[in-house]
Amino acid sequence: GAVVSQHPSWVICKSGTSVKIECRSLDFQATTMFWYRQFPKQSLMLMATSNEGSKATYEQGVEKDKFLINHASLTLSTLTVTSAHPEDSSFYICSARLDTDTQYFGPGTRLTVL
Amino acid sequence: QKEVEQNSGPLSVPEGAIASLNCTYSDRGSQSFFWYRQYSGKSPELIMFIYSNGDKEDGRFTAQLNKASQYVSLLIRDSQPSDSATYLCAVPNQGGKLIFGQGTELSVKP
Repeated sequence: GAVVSQHPSWVICKSGTSVKIECRSLDFQATTMFWYRQFPKQSLMLMATSNEGSKATYEQGVEKDKFLINHASLTLSTLTVTSAHPEDSSFYICSARLDTDTQYFGPGTRLTVL
Repeated sequence: QKEVEQNSGPLSVPEGAIASLNCTYSDRGSQSFFWYRQYSGKSPELIMFIYSNGDKEDGRFTAQLNKASQYVSLLIRDSQPSDSATYLCAVPNQGGKLIFGQGTELSVKP
């Protein structure tokens, strides 16, 4: 199957700092990538849809100024959590769409904000 | 009615048995259907997709689709303890976003 990577796999930061997470499609070009967040024992929650070369589309309730998304190339999307706070601690997962519907997920990034 | 619904778990089966996971969807126009497996603390992994009515087999996994009844199922033959995970049914909406069911937790007992 198609391979999607994320970096870093885990990060610990102090409250108030910003954290950047990278998502790469390694063996295919993805015009669309998605960012999800998952809290323990809960379902995946879609945060935003990232399209190459255009602004991301955020889901209702997700602050676009706090979660900055950039999709500068067909193989790379980044999510920056700005001024992170402990309540932003979560498991962040990206996915890349191979064709019309099929999404492949990255391994996820576990963020802990102290 | 939720857009994608899965039978509530947890589902417990003995090793070597067949595990049957079910999913129903509300949009009659849906064309593609996906099963993901998610181990605890890990991200979802695509294990099967199906577009046409009938069965699709891949190793120990069989996906079954019945568009008239709006259900899709996943059968796991010869279940192994390593199959213990949460299985997510997903159906794309018209905007291309995946709509997930709540997931069924499968436990395979040795």
